[in-house]
Amino acid sequence: NAGVMQNPRHLVRRRGQEARLRCSPMKGHSHVYWYRQLPEEGLKFMVYLQKENIIDESGMPKERFSAEFPKEGPSILRIQQVVRGDSAAYFCASSASGRNYEQYFGPGTRLTVT
Amino acid sequence: KNQVEQSPQSLIILEGKNCTLQCNYTVSPFSNLRWYKQDTGRGPVSLTIMTFSENTKSNGRYTATLDADTKQSSLHITASQLSDSASYICVVSFDRGSTLGRLYFGRGTQLTVWP
Repeated sequence: NAGVMQNPRHLVRRRGQEARLRCSPMKGHSHVYWYRQLPEEGLKFMVYLQKENIIDESGMPKERFSAEFPKEGPSILRIQQVVRGDSAAYFCASSASGRNYEQYFGPGTRLTVT
Repeated sequence: KNQVEQSPQSLIILEGKNCTLQCNYTVSPFSNLRWYKQDTGRGPVSLTIMTFSENTKSNGRYTATLDADTKQSSLHITASQLSDSASYICVVSFDRGSTLGRLYFGRGTQLTVWP
């Protein structure tokens, strides 16, 4: 039973490029969450999605960031025109039911903007 | 403001010793409190989940306590092992309205176990 998968594990982008981070939830899970962890900081909630729907995006910057969880395929976190401040570890988690239930985390994608 | 504060920031102990990590939170209303272990370069792994009505929960050598009145929790690790070296994160779930279940994370306590 595979856990939450994220790819790539490491991503390097130059300023102004686009970053696409992928998350495949655990089998049977239809709820996905994205978190960002800046160096020396705790994880911060970004967005909560259910299949084809954004449930809560109150933690996501309004510009340059978007997320989707299509009916088929992984969830995608997209960052346009990346800046150095976007350098962080981005974690995806999934749960079988709503977010008040157990969330299982992926290994993270470490984004470095040069 | 909903916050989670952890102490100490870092801790070094010798293998076989016990230790206790602290968590204070201001998240209100509160739904549940979780402790996670995060190894370097990996995602957090759940250790315990407690609702406001639970005072203590154990998972092997890990025992979490909760005092919902004072908004404090602790994680006690007994007979530490080298593999316990990791960051331990206290996470509180918010319990209201459209953001029901939103998680608030502490910065973690970095535990190092020396042989």
